[in-house]
Parts: sequence; C-alpha cells; structure tokens
Amino acid sequence: ILNVEQSPQSLHVQEGDSTNFTCSFPSSNFYALHWYRWETAKSPEALFVMTLNGDEKKKGRISATLNTKEGYSYLYIKGSQPEDSATYLCAFPYSGGYQKVTFGIGTKLQVIP
Amino acid sequence: GAGVSQSPSNKVTEKGKDVELRCDPISGHTALYWYRQSLGQGLEFLIYFQGNSAPDKSGLPSDRFSAERTGGSVSTLTIQRTQQEDSAVYLCASSWGLAGATGTDTQYFGPGTRLTVL
Repeated sequence: ILNVEQSPQSLHVQEGDSTNFTCSFPSSNFYALHWYRWETAKSPEALFVMTLNGDEKKKGRISATLNTKEGYSYLYIKGSQPEDSATYLCAFPYSGGYQKVTFGIGTKLQVIP
Repeated sequence: GAGVSQSPSNKVTEKGKDVELRCDPISGHTALYWYRQSLGQGLEFLIYFQGNSAPDKSGLPSDRFSAERTGGSVSTLTIQRTQQEDSAVYLCASSWGLAGATGTDTQYFGPGTRLTVL
C-alpha cells in the first residue's frame, strides 16, 4: 500500500485569505500527480494533472506546484471564496501500463464568509 | 455532454441482504473504476476495468464483493450478504484509458451511491 499523505486534513480560513496545503507521495517510480476537488453533494472533479518536476499549473485563483525529487505537491488558493469550500484530493498513479491510483485522504477546506 | 451516472443515489438495506449498484460511464471511455469512501476515510480503490482486459480486482475487500462490466460500458457492483461495515459512499469513475503508462489519465466521477446497512 503506497503512502499518499495530505495535510492538513481540515482547514478553516476567512474569505479573502490565501491558503495552501500539501500532498506527499513516494518519490520513486513517479508517473504523475493529480489534484481533484470534491464539493459536498457533488462528484469529484479534476483540477490538475502534473507530470514534470518543477511543474506549476494554474486555474483561476488556484495553482499547484510539483517536486518529484522530494515527493510533494502544494496546492495554493489565492483570495479564498466561499465557493472554494470543498475537499481537495491528490491522487498518485502507481502502476505503469494502466492507471491504478492511490488517493490521499484529502484536505477539507471551509471558507468562512 | 452526459457525465458518469450512478444509481441508486441512496440505498438503505438490512444486514445480510444483497445489493447491486450501477454505473453508466461516459460514452467511449474504456476505463472504469469503483471506489468507496467510508466515514472518515479516504477513497479506497475497489476494482478497475480496462477495455477487454481482465479486471483488476485487487482492491475488493472480500469475496462478497463482485463487479462486472457488460459490453464495455455499464458496470454493476454487487455486494452479497451485506454487513454494517459495508456502509459507505460508492463512487464510480471512468476515463479514456488511452494514456498508457504515463499515469496522466483524468478520471471523471459519478455522484456516488450512499449505501447504509442497518
């Protein structure tokens, strides 16, 4: 069983604050790292897929960075809004040839208006 | 376009009964996954289908769990003789399955089935 860890597990921030959280994964046999957002009562949806060391992806106020050598990815949210409230999952594919994936437990973000 | 659909959205059953959960993937997606999330836990991989290959059943927690995928499309997850520890949200996801060994295939999730075993 691969260890994909996310921290913190939950986070409360005020509207307008910027925040970040971490996904740690095994640094060997790296294929890619995915971030998903899971809003309450909705389906998880993909945010980013990251493949290269030093990669940085951005979508609106949300961005992510990747360090494959040390095995971590950061997700940043600038100027948090209530609609950013969700659980943010990272996912680590660990089998070549197909797409078996281990998910972290997630970081549950609550943005307080 | 149509996303991944799952039915039922909620299922309450009595301990010992069998249940069937259905997943309709996105048309054309060759890969299909089942996961579950128990209370306070992360997403747990259950089973994976890719095209016509034999499914990867390595995540199924016991022989009470089985799944099939008919015609490369619709999938059914069956839980026999349900136990209270089977209570969870069961999620289905599909993907194009064309990314090979790159690990870059994005999964598209259904809304889940919340199973409660009394």
